[in-house]
Amino acid sequence: NAGVMQNPRHLVRRRGQEARLRCSPMKGHSHVYWYRQLPEEGLKFMVYLQKENIIDESGMPKERFSAEFPKEGPSILRIQQVVRGDSAAYFCASSPRLAGLYNEQFFGPGTRLTVL
Amino acid sequence: DQQVKQNSPSLSVQEGRISILNCDYTNSMFDYFLWYKKYPAEGPTFLISISSIKDKNEDGRFTVFLNKSAKHLSLHIVPSQPGDSAVYFCAASRQTSGSRLTFGEGTQLTVNP
Repeated sequence: NAGVMQNPRHLVRRRGQEARLRCSPMKGHSHVYWYRQLPEEGLKFMVYLQKENIIDESGMPKERFSAEFPKEGPSILRIQQVVRGDSAAYFCASSPRLAGLYNEQFFGPGTRLTVL
Repeated sequence: DQQVKQNSPSLSVQEGRISILNCDYTNSMFDYFLWYKKYPAEGPTFLISISSIKDKNEDGRFTVFLNKSAKHLSLHIVPSQPGDSAVYFCAASRQTSGSRLTFGEGTQLTVNP
């Protein structure tokens, strides 16, 4: 059973360009979460999605950032008009069900975004 | 507002000895706690978790202790092995708020042979 897959692993963009990060959850998982890790910091929650629904986007910047998890295909985190401060590691995680006593989230390897 | 804090950025222990990693939280609504291990250029790997209805959970060399009154949890690794060298993140969540995890800043553990 393949784990959470993210691509690309590394992404370089110039200021003002768009970045698209993809995440395929583990087989059978319908809940996807995106986290961002800035240098020397812990992971910060961005957004929580189920198929075709955004459940919680309270951690995502209001402008330039959007996320989707369509019925078919991977989840996409989209950053428009990137700035240098967007440079970070972006991690996707998935879980099989809603929060309960056993809320393990399984993480992908991350996408390292560098904005020049 | 850092709701989950790991006050030790680094810890160095000798192989075979016990490693103790600490974590404090401020939000009393947290009711589920997890520890993740992370190697460079990889995603976090789930290690062990504990619900607020327990005060201890053990899995092989790893034991997590929860002190709700002190809002403190710790991860014990015994015996420590060089392969345990990694960054360890403490995370917390609330069942009623969905599945978002709140992470600490991490502790770099180095186990010396």
